[in-house]
Amino acid sequence: GQQVMQIPQYQHVQEGEDFTTYCNSSTTLSNIQWYKQRPGGHPVFLIQLVKSGEVKKQKRLTFQFGEAKKNSSLHITATQTTDVGTYFCGWNTDKLIFGTGTRLQVFP
Amino acid sequence: NAGVTQTPKFRVLKTGQSMTLLCAQDMNHEYMYWYRQDPGMGLRLIHYSVGEGTTAKGEVPDGYNVSRLKKQNFLLGLESAAPSQTSVYFCATGLAGTDTQYFGPGTRLTVL
Repeated sequence: GQQVMQIPQYQHVQEGEDFTTYCNSSTTLSNIQWYKQRPGGHPVFLIQLVKSGEVKKQKRLTFQFGEAKKNSSLHITATQTTDVGTYFCGWNTDKLIFGTGTRLQVFP
Repeated sequence: NAGVTQTPKFRVLKTGQSMTLLCAQDMNHEYMYWYRQDPGMGLRLIHYSVGEGTTAKGEVPDGYNVSRLKKQNFLLGLESAAPSQTSVYFCATGLAGTDTQYFGPGTRLTVL
């Protein structure tokens, strides 16, 4: 069956450093979404990628969908303490399934 | 415009007790979902509904029941709570034909 791994599980960075989280699938994905969950909060939709090789940017966040649509990444440039939280990828089969998330901690 | 609301925010149950969690939305979304979130496990889908009067099982449906009698409400029931059901429960909604989901604030449930 389909397996999607999200790595790393945890990442601690110094404020100003970059951060990247990856979702890797064993099969082709129709699309992929990214969500952010602040500590104690609920997941909030960030973006959806649909096309092969698609790249989208939101300020310091860059989202990529692989050419084979089997992997995706979220890159944050020059992290800030407001970036703290858990980042989830989600993909749609007949319903939305989420990765296990990457918890980001940013030290000032 | 409240978006997605969940009632209650917190609850402590004893093993064997029953309870119902309420999710309400004012966004006129067709799709509604119930997830549970446990440390290191991400979000796991319990049940979902694609419209009023319809429900379907997700990844982890055992021990839960749901009902969608009105479009704006999605109820999650625990008939006989077990400690393994201690978790944070999130409701989410979405428009038909789209994959984006909008989450409620969550209910933290502890079963002793």
